Amino acid sequence: QVQLQESGPGLVKPSQTLSLTCTVSGGSISSGGYYWSWIRQHPGKGPEWIGNIYYSGSTYYNPSLKSRVSISVDTSKNQFSLRLNSVTAADTAVYYCVALVLAASFDYWGQGTLVTVSS
Amino acid sequence: QSVLTQPPSASGTPGQRVSISCSGSSSNIGRNAVNWYQQLPGTAPKLLIYDSNQRPSGVPDRFSGSKSGTSASLAISGLQSEDEADYYCAAWDDSLNGRVFGGGTKLTVL
Repeated sequence: QVQLQESGPGLVKPSQTLSLTCTVSGGSISSGGYYWSWIRQHPGKGPEWIGNIYYSGSTYYNPSLKSRVSISVDTSKNQFSLRLNSVTAADTAVYYCVALVLAASFDYWGQGTLVTVSS
Repeated sequence: QSVLTQPPSASGTPGQRVSISCSGSSSNIGRNAVNWYQQLPGTAPKLLIYDSNQRPSGVPDRFSGSKSGTSASLAISGLQSEDEADYYCAAWDDSLNGRVFGGGTKLTVL
């Protein structure tokens, strides 16, 4: 079973860049059977899809965040990463890395990491 | 503003059957399978239903899902106090090439 673990700073200053990494275990990012995704959840709100990356490097982003977001994959480390530029307080949320199974709507979630944007 | 529409709240008494609806469009629920998640405070969403009506291993058969057209429903029978949680629907959206979610339904067991 695929397991995911987010890591990165829990506090980011306004206007700076939020950077998170997701380490995948129990499966290979290069296997081709998944979309590797970032999803965030603001307090008291529903989850919000940020973007997906395939192991080949092809990406899709939420149009509302597209100008500020970048997702990359490092197959040698079995990791994928999120960068969100020019953050504001509105980017304060719990960030989850998620493996979306291509052949079904099944998915695996990390435990999530709270990122607070504050000076 | 979430892409999928859910009622903000639902309630029931122990033993009762409750249903939660989820409405979408032709680009998401109309063409793709629906997932349902249960979320307890401070935890990640837990997958309850995938492929619109399939339960992952370990999920009680009190939980069931259905889909028709651009809408879906989650039904919980034999309601228990531990079912009190937030419930979210989700589906792949072909126009975005990403997963879209509902705003969530808070279920209260009276």
